[in-house]
Amino acid sequence: NAGVMQNPRHLVRRRGQEARLRCSPMKGHSHVYWYRQLPEEGLKFMVYLQKENIIDESGMPKERFSAEFPKEGPSILRIQQVVRGDSAAYFCASSLNTGVNQPQHFGDGTRLSIL
Amino acid sequence: AQKITQTQPGMFVQEKEAVTLDCTYDTSDPSYGLFWYKQPSSGEMIFLIYQGSYDQQNATEGRYSLNFQKARKSANLVISASQLGDSAMYFCAMRGNQGAQKLVFGQGTRLTINP
Repeated sequence: NAGVMQNPRHLVRRRGQEARLRCSPMKGHSHVYWYRQLPEEGLKFMVYLQKENIIDESGMPKERFSAEFPKEGPSILRIQQVVRGDSAAYFCASSLNTGVNQPQHFGDGTRLSIL
Repeated sequence: AQKITQTQPGMFVQEKEAVTLDCTYDTSDPSYGLFWYKQPSSGEMIFLIYQGSYDQQNATEGRYSLNFQKARKSANLVISASQLGDSAMYFCAMRGNQGAQKLVFGQGTRLTINP
């Protein structure tokens, strides 16, 4: 499967635990984006990364959330000390470059549920 | 700032009819891209069609076409000969060439195709 791979597909955590969401971009794509989708809403941008660099994190909450895209391995979105309000679908997307004509290709998302 | 507005929360259409999903946008970027994505009940985000702000012709992809009216800042999606499998959420999104490379999404339209 050459598409964007996200895992796990579903993740259940208790309040106060940590959540780690993984994303492997499409082959050849070095631009990764994370979005959050609340029920019945559109996707909201969180962070944009290139290999080893965070380019734009303007949509990321200032506390408890962090993202990385190491030289080797998948991009990781990490949420520390999760709260009920973190329950959402988290989507990763990748693109070949940053041209306005480049679509972002999405993974299937991770559904995070906080008990 | 960029903004996407989808004014139709839900649409109901008979199978085999054509359907138009509305999308208006606002941006100060001189160059931008407009995208439509489909999200079936299984949750994944599927890229459908792209329109560039400088494209002279409306984009088409199979049964999907984009009615692009730049002066009105609208980019409506037209689905011809609708099928039961077209039932899904549809999101309009845009991407500018200034600042962040993020996609900005509308709230979505839930399309239901009736047999």
